[in-house]
Amino acid sequence: GQSLEQPSEVTAVEGAIVQINCTYQTSGFYGLSWYQQHDGGAPTFLSYNALDGLEETGRFSSFLSRSDSYGYLLLQELQMKDSASYFCAVRDQNTDKLIFGTGTRLQVFP
Amino acid sequence: KAGVTQTPRYLIKTRGQQVTLSCSPISGHRSVSWYQQTPGQGLQFLFEYFSETQRNKGNFPGRFSGRQFSNSRSEMNVSTLELGDSALYLCASSPIRGAPEAFFGQGTRLTVV
Repeated sequence: GQSLEQPSEVTAVEGAIVQINCTYQTSGFYGLSWYQQHDGGAPTFLSYNALDGLEETGRFSSFLSRSDSYGYLLLQELQMKDSASYFCAVRDQNTDKLIFGTGTRLQVFP
Repeated sequence: KAGVTQTPRYLIKTRGQQVTLSCSPISGHRSVSWYQQTPGQGLQFLFEYFSETQRNKGNFPGRFSGRQFSNSRSEMNVSTLELGDSALYLCASSPIRGAPEAFFGQGTRLTVV
């Protein structure tokens, strides 16, 4: 089965950089995705790492290391609107199920 | 292109009743998955439908069921509601099975009293 662990909460101030980690135990997956969910809203796709390494999309970057069973989402130049929950997710190679991590609530303070 | 539409947005039911939730995927998307989201358990996979067939099922009791129609719209049904079924039910669609990106609807907030 798949299991993805994330810190439950992270706090930071505007303009700072924050890293949200995702460690996983999995028997096989296609790639690591990240989703953002504001309170009361739908999860929205942020990024996807099919291969090891860093993917950059504007202020957000995501990293994957399959050998370390580890990935992270890096948010730079934090803004108040970045306050939300962030989920890592993997697509199981055997079942195609999209399995989500435990989620990290990010609070950005002025 | 319209996004994923879920109806209703809010529901209040009493214990023992049943409920049906609806999801219309993005046009052209054939894979629809359902998730239950609660504060303590995060996003829990319920089931996935593709081409009107259930392809995957999560670890939920048989009271939870679903189906998909030929136009890819999907419904999920929960019978004999329990207080613990109170949650946000999210539907996500993808153009194909195994796509890296899933597009979510706003969800249906179910409260069981």
